[in-house]
Amino acid sequence: EPEVTQTPSHQVTQMGQEVILRCVPISNHLYFYWYRQILGQKVEFLVSFYNNEISEKSEIFDDQFSVERPDGSNFTLKIRSTKLEDSAMYFCASSEYAVSSGNTIYFGEGSWLTVV
Amino acid sequence: ELKVEQNPLFLSMQEGKNYTIYCNYSTTSDRLYWYRQDPGKSLESLFVLLSNGAVKQEGRLMASLDTKARLSTLHITAAVHDLSATYFCAVEPNAGGTSYGKLTFGQGTILTVHP
Repeated sequence: EPEVTQTPSHQVTQMGQEVILRCVPISNHLYFYWYRQILGQKVEFLVSFYNNEISEKSEIFDDQFSVERPDGSNFTLKIRSTKLEDSAMYFCASSEYAVSSGNTIYFGEGSWLTVV
Repeated sequence: ELKVEQNPLFLSMQEGKNYTIYCNYSTTSDRLYWYRQDPGKSLESLFVLLSNGAVKQEGRLMASLDTKARLSTLHITAAVHDLSATYFCAVEPNAGGTSYGKLTFGQGTILTVHP
């Protein structure tokens, strides 16, 4: 079954460093998302992306964050200068359609980011 | 701001028993999702509910949606240990346009099924 794949599965970085999290969405999907889950808390929406541009972003997604689809398969989340509070599991997700008739959003396994 | 509240947050069940998890949300929506998460793992899609009165069943799990009451339920029938996991509901607003896929999640219900 097709799946969303993410790398790395776990990254430890020093505060202030830049981090890039990578995702390969399901191949025929057109809509891409990043969510995060701080340990023990609920899953939070960060950003949605369609047609090579951001569709919507949350208040969390400030100027430190950026997303990119550098080629036909990868979708990346960059955090420019990491803070301790950025420590979380970051989930990439994708969906085939925006129209919600049977729309399912598929999540990857996550990238666990630890900022020290 | 859309708020999604689940209850209970913790559920300890005996095998063979039935129980229901409730998901209330604060604004108009007819798109609701249920996900399962095992510890350290991703979110597995269980159900997508897209209209008032929608009911879906898979094995021992059944989900329903009442958009007028802004309530979804996940019913567990004759629980087994394999169902132990965290269950999340998530709501997608009806705002349309760019809001597709912008899910607001509940806090999650940690379900433990024991003999």
